[in-house]
Amino acid sequence: EAGVAQSPRYKIIEKRQSVAFWCNPISGHATLYWYQQILGQGPKLLIQFQNNGVVDDSQLPKDRFSAERLKGVDSTLKIQPAKLEDSAVYLCASSLVGWKDSNTEAFFGQGTRLTVV
Amino acid sequence: KQEVTQIPAALSVPEGENLVLNCSFTDSAIYNLQWFRQDPGKGLTSLLLIQSSQREQTSGRLNASLDKSSGRSTLYIAASQPGDSATYLCAVRETSGSRLTFGEGTQLTVNP
Repeated sequence: EAGVAQSPRYKIIEKRQSVAFWCNPISGHATLYWYQQILGQGPKLLIQFQNNGVVDDSQLPKDRFSAERLKGVDSTLKIQPAKLEDSAVYLCASSLVGWKDSNTEAFFGQGTRLTVV
Repeated sequence: KQEVTQIPAALSVPEGENLVLNCSFTDSAIYNLQWFRQDPGKGLTSLLLIQSSQREQTSGRLNASLDKSSGRSTLYIAASQPGDSATYLCAVRETSGSRLTFGEGTQLTVNP
């Protein structure tokens, strides 16, 4: 079974530029998460999708971050314009959604390391 | 709002020692708790998942326990090896919206 795919693996941009990250979840996984992980900290949820609908985007800085999940499969996360403090690893995860949610496991991609200079 | 805390933040032990990592959470309305391992520059690898109705799960040298009522979980690593060196993260899946909330992690170093 293929895992969660993310690209690019690394990105260096100047502040005020824009950047986009792509995620392809495990086939059949209805739930998709984007997390931001700053060095030395735990992952922080940015946005959660259920199919192509947003379940939780309460911690997404909407003035500069946007995300979409067209057709309920692939997803893109965009930052425009980027700030120095956006330097972090951006992780995508997916999970099945079923009525027995207690057994639902989240699977993570390798992440995209963003450096804003 | 769910808060997840991991203690200690960092731990250094000699090879062969048994060790315990701690995770606590403030809201017991969870579906499950998952322990992850993260190597430097890598993504997260799932180690163990404990459902809310379970008390513990085992995989090889790893054993995770869950006391949902007190909001605590422990990850026990037996006979530690240098290859166990990594950051260990716990995450709880809340019943409200299936949000997955992480702790800050414990950075483990096992010295040969």
